[in-house]
Amino acid sequence: SQTIHQWPATLVQPVGSPLSLECTVEGTSNPNLYWYRQAAGRGLQLLFYSVGIGQISSEVPQNLSASRPQDRQFILSSKKLLLSDSGFYLCAWSAGPNEKLFFGSGTQLSVL
Amino acid sequence: KNQVEQSPQSLIILEGKNCTLQCNYTVSPFSNLRWYKQDTGRGPVSLTIMTFSENTKSNGRYTATLDADTKQSSLHITASQLSDSASYICVVRSGGSYIPTFGRGTSLIVHP
Repeated sequence: SQTIHQWPATLVQPVGSPLSLECTVEGTSNPNLYWYRQAAGRGLQLLFYSVGIGQISSEVPQNLSASRPQDRQFILSSKKLLLSDSGFYLCAWSAGPNEKLFFGSGTQLSVL
Repeated sequence: KNQVEQSPQSLIILEGKNCTLQCNYTVSPFSNLRWYKQDTGRGPVSLTIMTFSENTKSNGRYTATLDADTKQSSLHITASQLSDSASYICVVRSGGSYIPTFGRGTSLIVHP
């Protein structure tokens, strides 16, 4: 069966520090991968998606970046965090463009 | 522009009561519509999927409806339980698009 792992679960970082969140999927190949951010009490905002290794599409201009070094690995990064980067980050995968999204357990990021 | 609107934004009900959540969409071409449940601090989990030809689908105490002509869907929860307290998110897929369109969700609180 397919599983998605996302870590860490919580992270407290000072402003200006770097960020690296990792997401891996098991039990499937060539998944579509997504990074979402959710501000407190708000809806999900799509940040990046990837349909293949090295293929990254950005939906929102910001100081974040994403990479897909392996088929089932998706990494969200920042060189210098801003206060506004605080939020709940969710990784997700789907088997195709019309398929169900499976979400990771999320990372609560607090930038202080 | 593809959009999904949900109502109400929040809802408080007593345990054992029924409730109905609404979703209106302007996604074209339509592929499918899913309702997700998101517990606080967790990733969303799919409850039901509705395709163009389906009018009603049940999953336990959850019943989803779809009117493709008016582009409306509803999620009816019967005999609510405390564990139903969560955010319910309507997500619509456009044919062939990798990017699902999310509603902002309805926050449901079930009181004992």
